[in-house]
Amino acid sequence: AQSVTQPDIHITVSEGASLELRCNYSYGATPYLFWYVQSPGQGLQLLLKYFSGDTLVQGIKGFEAEFKRSQSSFNLRKPSVHWSDAAEYFCAVVRPGFQKLVFGTGTRLLVSP
Amino acid sequence: GAGVSQTPSNKVTEKGKYVELRCDPISGHTALYWYRQSLGQGPEFLIYFQGTGAADDSGLPNDRFFAVRPEGSVSTLKIQRTERGDSAVYLCASSPGAQETQYFGPGTRLLVL
Repeated sequence: AQSVTQPDIHITVSEGASLELRCNYSYGATPYLFWYVQSPGQGLQLLLKYFSGDTLVQGIKGFEAEFKRSQSSFNLRKPSVHWSDAAEYFCAVVRPGFQKLVFGTGTRLLVSP
Repeated sequence: GAGVSQTPSNKVTEKGKYVELRCDPISGHTALYWYRQSLGQGPEFLIYFQGTGAADDSGLPNDRFFAVRPEGSVSTLKIQRTERGDSAVYLCASSPGAQETQYFGPGTRLLVL
């Protein structure tokens, strides 16, 4: 069965510090990969996506993610976190040829002053 | 342009009642999706429409759940004989076509008392 693992339920980062959120997937083939962010009372906003090509993907708000096939990972990074980045982050995958997104359980990011 | 909109934003109902949740996709988007997000979880796929037809309803939990999209635009998710376990945020997404990025609405928070 397809699955997405986000091993960290909560992460606290100081403002200005770097951030890395982990995501691992379990699939027979390389899926399409996504990171979404969800702020309280808001819908899911797409940060970035990987379909193919360059394994380092740039997204909005200064985020980037790197696809590593050998590790079945798609970790999200940001060099300097801002207080406004506090939110819930979801990694998601979709199997090529199919439509439904499969989400991880999310990582809640807290930003300390 | 307008994003995906969902109404109502909140719905409180009593166990056993019938509810309808509405989704207005982005204009011109042919694909529409429903997901359900329970507290502390990532969204889970319910159903996918391509045009007017339900192309994949494998995520609907049981026959109390039904969705329609009669004119290929607005969709309604219908839940009969609601149960307390149906309490969740129901998210709608749309995409320009199949296999393209999904854009999410703000969700409808359903509470079944």
